[in-house]
Amino acid sequence: AQSVTQLDSHVSVSEGTPVLLRCNYSSSYSPSLFWYVQHPNKGLQLLLKYTSAATLVKGINGFEAEFKKSETSFHLTKPSAHMSDAAEYFCVVRPYNTDKLIFGTGTRLQVFP
Amino acid sequence: NAGVTQTPKFRILKIGQSMTLQCTQDMNHNYMYWYRQDPGMGLKLIYYSVGAGITDKGEVPNGYNVSRSTTEDFPLRLELAAPSQTSVYFCATRQGAYGYTFGSGTRLTVV
Repeated sequence: AQSVTQLDSHVSVSEGTPVLLRCNYSSSYSPSLFWYVQHPNKGLQLLLKYTSAATLVKGINGFEAEFKKSETSFHLTKPSAHMSDAAEYFCVVRPYNTDKLIFGTGTRLQVFP
Repeated sequence: NAGVTQTPKFRILKIGQSMTLQCTQDMNHNYMYWYRQDPGMGLKLIYYSVGAGITDKGEVPNGYNVSRSTTEDFPLRLELAAPSQTSVYFCATRQGAYGYTFGSGTRLTVV
């Protein structure tokens, strides 16, 4: 069965320091992978997506993620956190040849001044 | 361009009451979805539609109904509200293989 595991429910960083949000997936074939961000009382905004092209994917607001098939991981990174990055982040997998999105349970990112 | 519009934004229902959550899109996308988000959890698919007149069940359809009479509208109906339906509901559309657009959500509390 396909699944997504976000390894940290909460991550706290200081402004200006790197961000790492971890995601592992389980999928029987080549999936599509997404990272979404949700600010309080807002809808979900797409940060980036992997669709079997380049394994290093660059997204909006300086975020990027690397697809590592051997590790079944799709970790989200940003070199320098900004206060406005504080939000909930969801790793999402779309199994091959399906229309279904499978969401992780989310990681809440806090950014301290 | 409004994208995906959900109404209402907040609602409190009593057990056994019914209501309809509205979702409207102006992007002419064929695919539309309803998700629910429980505290500390990811989104789970309730129902989806691949076009006007076609709907299908997702992971958690029990207690809900949908209709899709037009491309623009995809309302979600709760007939007999239960406390287990307290959640945040998101409507989404899809264009192409990967272009999902989410609404800003409806926060529903059943007491």
